[in-house]
Amino acid sequence: DSGVTQTPKHLITATGQRVTLRCSPRSGDLSVYWYQQSLDQGLQFLIHYYNGEERAKGNILERFSAQQFPDLHSELNLSSLELGDSALYFCASSVGQTLSYEQYFGPGTRLTVT
Amino acid sequence: KNQVEQSPQSLIILEGKNCTLQCNYTVSPFSNLRWYKQDTGRGPVSLTIMTFSENTKSNGRYTATLDADTKQSSLHITASQLSDSASYICVVRGGATNKLIFGTGTLLAVQP
Repeated sequence: DSGVTQTPKHLITATGQRVTLRCSPRSGDLSVYWYQQSLDQGLQFLIHYYNGEERAKGNILERFSAQQFPDLHSELNLSSLELGDSALYFCASSVGQTLSYEQYFGPGTRLTVT
Repeated sequence: KNQVEQSPQSLIILEGKNCTLQCNYTVSPFSNLRWYKQDTGRGPVSLTIMTFSENTKSNGRYTATLDADTKQSSLHITASQLSDSASYICVVRGGATNKLIFGTGTLLAVQP
């Protein structure tokens, strides 16, 4: 158990809908990273927050947005969902704000768009 | 282009046997290389992290090697166990923006 929690574990929704994925980092960690892992594809970095502020953006679509709250939990919002958005979404946390620090991954949320 | 390529894509071995997974990268400049183990449906777990000056690093039955000159790394698993069945992901930190670049992984199945 990495100490990172993600909810829900599974999510099934229809195209065009909007969903929110939630991540709670390990105690003491200030950074949260979001990743997407599609079938047969590697992990794709989406976005990084440190202590409530956006630090870096990766291949994140405009339909997706995220935020980190004062209690350090983070939410990833996916809107106007398409079939291609079906994937595993992972968050990872680390203590520092750079990639020098080890990232600890949560168990993921499996999103299925029908 | 900064890329990380892993081979083989998948591998089946018998319990108790050894195996070696390969990772070739074209990332430059190079900061470090990590190997992760990802069980099906779960998040990746770090096995090793290696910097430019490190040639070998072990974590139990897992031994990673790095040749920064040829830009190759390998992960050797000794005396495999059923619980080693997982995807093994090679991740290189580097490039102009010093980001993490993920390989697509090698799917290992250990059979009794």
